[in-house]
Amino acid sequence: GNSVTQMEGPVTLSEEAFLTINCTYTATGYPSLFWYVQYPGEGLQLLLKATKADDKGSNKGFEATYRKETTSFHLEKGSVQVSDSAVYFCALSRPNAGKSTFGDGTTLTVKP
Amino acid sequence: NAGVTQTPKFQVLKTGQSMTLQCAQDMNHNSMYWYRQDPGMGLRLIYYSASEGTTDKGEVPNGYNVSRLNKREFSLRLESAAPSQTSVYFCASSEPGHSPLHFGNGTRLTVT
Repeated sequence: GNSVTQMEGPVTLSEEAFLTINCTYTATGYPSLFWYVQYPGEGLQLLLKATKADDKGSNKGFEATYRKETTSFHLEKGSVQVSDSAVYFCALSRPNAGKSTFGDGTTLTVKP
Repeated sequence: NAGVTQTPKFQVLKTGQSMTLQCAQDMNHNSMYWYRQDPGMGLRLIYYSASEGTTDKGEVPNGYNVSRLNKREFSLRLESAAPSQTSVYFCASSEPGHSPLHFGNGTRLTVT
């Protein structure tokens, strides 16, 4: 079956530090890959996505590249801000499969 | 843009009571989902509806029922609440294929 494994948290960084959150997946076929972000007290919202191998998704300074050879979709940001403190979820979906598979989430705290 | 609207935002129930969580989306999406979020367990799919008139079980359907009332609305019912159902419940919607999920802001349910 499909599965997503995320780097365990929590992760604590100082402002302007470099961020990497690892994500690897197992899936049949050609899934789409997503990063969602959840701010306190809110639902998840899409951060970025990639739909095929070697695609790079990017948004708000965050980037992730779909690596089929290593089945990975690691999230990176060059310089984090306090406002980036949130829970980050990696997820995959397969066309016509009807549902997404989520990782367990990684909590990021950025200190001033 | 309202997106996905969930009601109520908070609810406290006693063991054995029943309640219905409401969800509506205004994006004309075909697919709708109910997830629960528990600490350290990520998001788990309870039920989903690929299109109006169809519903399917997810990972953790026991103790729940759903109704896809029309294309906009998808409700989740707890017939006899148990403390194990204390959780945050999220409704989401999407189009089929490579589309991301759009989430509501959640219902925080406590069963005592």
